[in-house]
Parts: sequence; structure tokens; C-alpha cells
Amino acid sequence: DADVTQTPRNRITKTGKRIMLECSQTKGHDRMYWYRQDPGLGLRLIYYSFDVKDINKGEISDGYSVSRQAQAKFSLSLESAIPNQTALYFCATSDWRTANTGELFFGEGSRLTVL
Amino acid sequence: KQEVTQIPAALSVPEGENLVLNCSFTDSAIYNLQWFRQDPGKGLTSLLLIQSSQREQTSGRLNASLDKSSGRSTLYIAASQPGDSATYLCAAVSSGSARQLTFGSGTQLTVLP
Repeated sequence: DADVTQTPRNRITKTGKRIMLECSQTKGHDRMYWYRQDPGLGLRLIYYSFDVKDINKGEISDGYSVSRQAQAKFSLSLESAIPNQTALYFCATSDWRTANTGELFFGEGSRLTVL
Repeated sequence: KQEVTQIPAALSVPEGENLVLNCSFTDSAIYNLQWFRQDPGKGLTSLLLIQSSQREQTSGRLNASLDKSSGRSTLYIAASQPGDSATYLCAAVSSGSARQLTFGSGTQLTVLP
């Protein structure tokens, strides 16, 4: 089983719908991240969390919200999806002991299409 | 704001060829630079990490170099194989306390048998 699991892996939805992407990890890491990947733009940070009570905005947080339900779970919500949120979304984790290196462990991605 | 650029966006080479992928960054105040591999439909896998104080790192057929003063890193792949076909991304890690990664858009490599 993967150490970082994202669900769903693929989702097609309509404009205006609420969508939640979930991430769970078995690595015991304290830090979790949500990234978005668009063709030609690389990965951009949406939100990150250093522990259950800590939530921080990333580069492109507008239109998104997150919840850190437990150390192992970090969900990303789109309250009212719009077509330009069509992208590949990645969850990543890191451990405070290796955080200084910036080393991240990635899930396999959730492909979201908003029609 | 850090900006990371990777050229070329795509590269196709015959099997066995040695190749170089390029990564440039605008802010030389980085903590380290990392190279990742991404296979279609998969997440990112870390390949090499070069600390800001280092000049290069090697792992098997892969060698990554770092020149902070010129804002450049290269990933050298020796004796390429079809299994090396993937997208390669570099990421500059900020020297600030948050250790944020800024990713390039990647180079899509195809190694032809």
C-alpha cells in the first residue's frame, strides 16, 4: 500500500459543485501539503500544515480551503468548483526531522476536471 | 520571488545517449536544489538533492550539479535507457524557515529503443 494515499484519483464534476479531495498518510509525518500541477506551470503550493492546529496559505489558496482532521489526514475542498480549477492535485508529506532539507513524499495525484 | 525554469520542455533521444537536463533559478539564496522524476499518472519521486554548499551529487547513472552563483543546475543522465522516459522536475528550496519548494515546469524525456 502507498504511504501517501489520495482519493479520489479521478473526478469529473460540474461548475458550482463542492468537491473534497482527501489525503491520508501512514508515514507518521507531521507536515502535509497540497499542490496543484498544470501543464507548463510546474507544481504550485495551495496550502500546507505543520501540525493538526497549524494551517498556512500557499501561493494559490484563493478558491480552496483545507482541513487537518488528524495528523494523518489532510483534505482539500473546493467550495464552488470552476473550470480553471481543472488540474492534477498532489498531496505531499514531510517529517520535521527531514524538513530542513525540504524533502517531500508525494501521493499519486488526483485528477480533477471541472466542466 | 523565486522563479525556476527548465529547458527544454521536451527531449527525445536514442537509447544509449548521454544527456543533460537544465534548470535555472532567479534567486541564488537557496537552501538546496532537488531533482524529481514523474511518471505518467504517478506522483513525484525524489532523485537527487544538492545542498547549497555542495557542487554535485551522484546516484548511479545520474549526476546533478549546482552552480549557485550562476543560478543553474544540471542533471546528467549517462547511457540513457527507455526506462528513463519520464518528466524530470527540479525544485529550488528556499533558505527561509518554511523551506518552500519552487518547482520548474519540467522536461519530458523520451528515450527511444
